[in-house]
Formats: sequence, C-alpha cells, structure tokens
Amino acid sequence: AQSVTQLGSHVSVSEGALVLLRCNYSSSVPPYLFWYVQYPNQGLQLLLKYTSAATLVKGINGFEAEFKKSETSFHLTKPSAHMSDAAEYFCAVSAALRNQFYFGTGTSLTVIP
Amino acid sequence: DTGVSQDPRHKITKRGQNVTFRCDPISEHNRLYWYRQTLGQGPEFLTYFQNEAQLEKSRLLSDRFSAERPKGSFSTLEIQRTEQGDSAMYLCASSLDSGGAYEQFFGPGTRLTVL
Repeated sequence: AQSVTQLGSHVSVSEGALVLLRCNYSSSVPPYLFWYVQYPNQGLQLLLKYTSAATLVKGINGFEAEFKKSETSFHLTKPSAHMSDAAEYFCAVSAALRNQFYFGTGTSLTVIP
Repeated sequence: DTGVSQDPRHKITKRGQNVTFRCDPISEHNRLYWYRQTLGQGPEFLTYFQNEAQLEKSRLLSDRFSAERPKGSFSTLEIQRTEQGDSAMYLCASSLDSGGAYEQFFGPGTRLTVL
C-alpha cells in the first residue's frame, strides 16, 4: 500500500525566502513520487516527478525535490519565493507497476510581500 | 486540444437528483482517471480506465457512483440519488501508458453542490 504525509497544512514565507514543503511517503514497492500545484479554481499542474533515476529532481518554476530513501522523504524546495508561488501544493505517490495515485492532504503556501 | 477538459465546471443540484459529468482526455492518452476532492483534502482516487476497459472500480464511493468510457475516448461519471455528502470537486486526469512513469494530466474539475 502507498500513502503520503505532508507535514504542515499551511506554510508562510517572505518573498525571496527559501520555500520548504515536506512530504514523507510509505510504499511497499519502489515508488514514483510527484509534486503538483493547484491554483484556486484550477486543476492540478505537475511541478516535478521522481521516476527512480536521479534523486535530485528539478521541476518547473524553479522548484526541485530530493528523493531520500533512508528518510522516506521527497521534500519540495525553492531557493527564493515569488508572490506567484502562493497556491496549494500536493505530494503524490504511485506504485511502480500501477497508476493509482495517492495524494497527501496538501500544503497551502502563502508568500508575504 | 492541449489539455483535459471537463463539463460542466459547476453543477448545483437538489438532493436525490442524478448528475452526470463528462471528461475529455488528451486525445492520444489511453488512460483516464476520476478523483474526488473535498475541501482541505487531496484528491481521492475513484476509478480508472485503460482505453474502454474499467480496470479499477473498487474505490467508487458507493453503488450510486458509476463511470463509463464507451469508446475509449471521453468518459462520464454519474452519481445517482445525490446526497449532500457528495458535494465536492470531481477531477478527471489522463495519461499515456508508454511503459514509463505515468504522469497524469488533470482537468479543471467539476464542482458539485448538492442542496
């Protein structure tokens, strides 16, 4: 079975500060891991994905995430927050051989000017 | 067509009525998924299709929920005898099963309000 836990349902950062959104996963098989962003009244947009290649994954809009098997983590980071980064962020896990995604409960990011 | 589309975007209905939502996936995608998202929660998987075959439906919330993809293109999700607890955002996603990582592309969702 697969699941993800996102620590912190709300995160606030100042514009220009480091963004760190936490995701820990549980999986009985090697996982595929994803980060999605959701803006109000819109669908989910893929930020980045881990597919068992490089453990440091770079995505769109300056975001990146590092897969750490020993810590069962896939935290999302961005060196410098922009106002446009304010949104809901979801971490998801999928088993290697199946497509069903399991999403976390999301983290709402607020960027303070 | 550059993305997944869903219709309608919003639906308000009275308790006990039936509702049907439509999803049009990205044209070359052979897999299609339905999720439900309630306020403050992440999307919850409901069911998925590979072409016209429904491969997983055990997560459908009750027998009032059903989905079809008759020709392997668009899909419909029907909820019969709606209840207030069915109020949620219903998301559709599609992907191409090409043997690699299965990135899912999401539509904008249909927001259902049951009065």
